Amino acid sequence: GQNIDQPTEMTATEGAIVQINCTYQTSGFNGLFWYQQHAGEAPTFLSYNVLDGLEEKGRFSSFLSRSKGYSYLLLKELQMKDSASYLCAVSGSGTYKYIFGTGTRLKVLA
Amino acid sequence: KAGVTQTPRYLIKTRGQQVTLSCSPISGHRSVSWYQQTPGQGLQFLFEYFSETQRNKGNFPGRFSGRQFSNSRSEMNVSTLELGDSALYLCASSLYGTSASSYNEQFFGPGTRLTVL
Repeated sequence: GQNIDQPTEMTATEGAIVQINCTYQTSGFNGLFWYQQHAGEAPTFLSYNVLDGLEEKGRFSSFLSRSKGYSYLLLKELQMKDSASYLCAVSGSGTYKYIFGTGTRLKVLA
Repeated sequence: KAGVTQTPRYLIKTRGQQVTLSCSPISGHRSVSWYQQTPGQGLQFLFEYFSETQRNKGNFPGRFSGRQFSNSRSEMNVSTLELGDSALYLCASSLYGTSASSYNEQFFGPGTRLTVL
């Protein structure tokens, strides 16, 4: 079957670092995306990984290990505005479609 | 470049009615995917249209249907509404279809919040 797992909720303090994990089992793999979604808003793109390793973009980094079916999103120097849901999604090949995890709701506390 | 637009933004219907939602993709994008988002289920894939053809379909009943026009605009229709259909319906456009082998980011619209009473 095809499945994506993420923690449901995480809490962290302003200025800290938080790592959100995502594990996946899919019949094909063509890339992994991370999206941020604030309450009541549409998801917005954060990062894309297709090869193993770390992709860094400002305060946000994303890591992928294809052999382990594992990714994480690392958020540094947390700000209150980072309070949002973070969605992990996998894109496959052929007729495979995007599969989204249920998202991790991150609360950043002052 | 204008983003993905969806109309209407909010909709209230009663059980048994039908509803049509509209999505206009980013100019030049040929793929439109539809998702249902509920608090407990997250984003659930409904279907994808590419060049007016349905390419993929999720596990939703036949009450959910869609189509895409030659200008890539897409509509989604839900007939015989049920209370459980209350959700945020998101559409996303991308340059290539979801079957593409190259980087293919999806851009989401603001969604239509459907409430079924």
